[in-house]
Amino acid sequence: LAKTTQPPSMEAYEGQEVNVSCSHTNIATSEYIYWYRQVPHQGPQFIIQGYKDYVVNEVASLFISADRKLSTLSLPWVSLRDAAVYYCIVTLRDYAQGLTFGLGTRVSVFP
Amino acid sequence: EAAVTQSPRNKVTVTGGNVTLSCRQTNSHNYMYWYRQDTGHGLRLIHYSYGAGNLQIGDVPDGYKATRTTQEDFFLLLELASPSQTSLYFCASSVGTNTEVFFGKGTRLTVV
Repeated sequence: LAKTTQPPSMEAYEGQEVNVSCSHTNIATSEYIYWYRQVPHQGPQFIIQGYKDYVVNEVASLFISADRKLSTLSLPWVSLRDAAVYYCIVTLRDYAQGLTFGLGTRVSVFP
Repeated sequence: EAAVTQSPRNKVTVTGGNVTLSCRQTNSHNYMYWYRQDTGHGLRLIHYSYGAGNLQIGDVPDGYKATRTTQEDFFLLLELASPSQTSLYFCASSVGTNTEVFFGKGTRLTVV
């Protein structure tokens, strides 16, 4: 499974757009990209997944570079509730052995 | 929204004690997982299961047993608890491989 690298922390003010990057230089053609986030005192929660190009849902958007070695999670108009640790996970679609979490990116949001 | 319920939410036990952590999901999910989360390590997979009676070993299984008694229930057993097992434990479930995984709220276990 491809290893991922994320910045350890980021800061933003409410109302700003936050872009969290994830490098996965050894991603295989059969691997997908997943993003989860974890707020304090809760388990991780799924945000979005993608394989290539651009994916958007009601929570976030995900941009994947053409060579698929870099992905960026974009959170528009962050609020205090978006303060969390964001995890980028790269894995096979049919990999049964659970998700492998790294240390993620801690996003702090200030009023 | 899929629900995964863990109990207890907090537990203190002594070294050498016997602890069972419980997890129930009512979403008819096939896969269930036990993770532990420690500062500096992120979440690490202990055991997982893809159906009643099935058990698979995760990345950090030493000192843990698990049992999937029904589709809904997955238990994590620490038969001789040690201080190194002090951690935040999460149970999770998913309908299939790498479909959305739903996590419980966690059980904080302290071994003194």
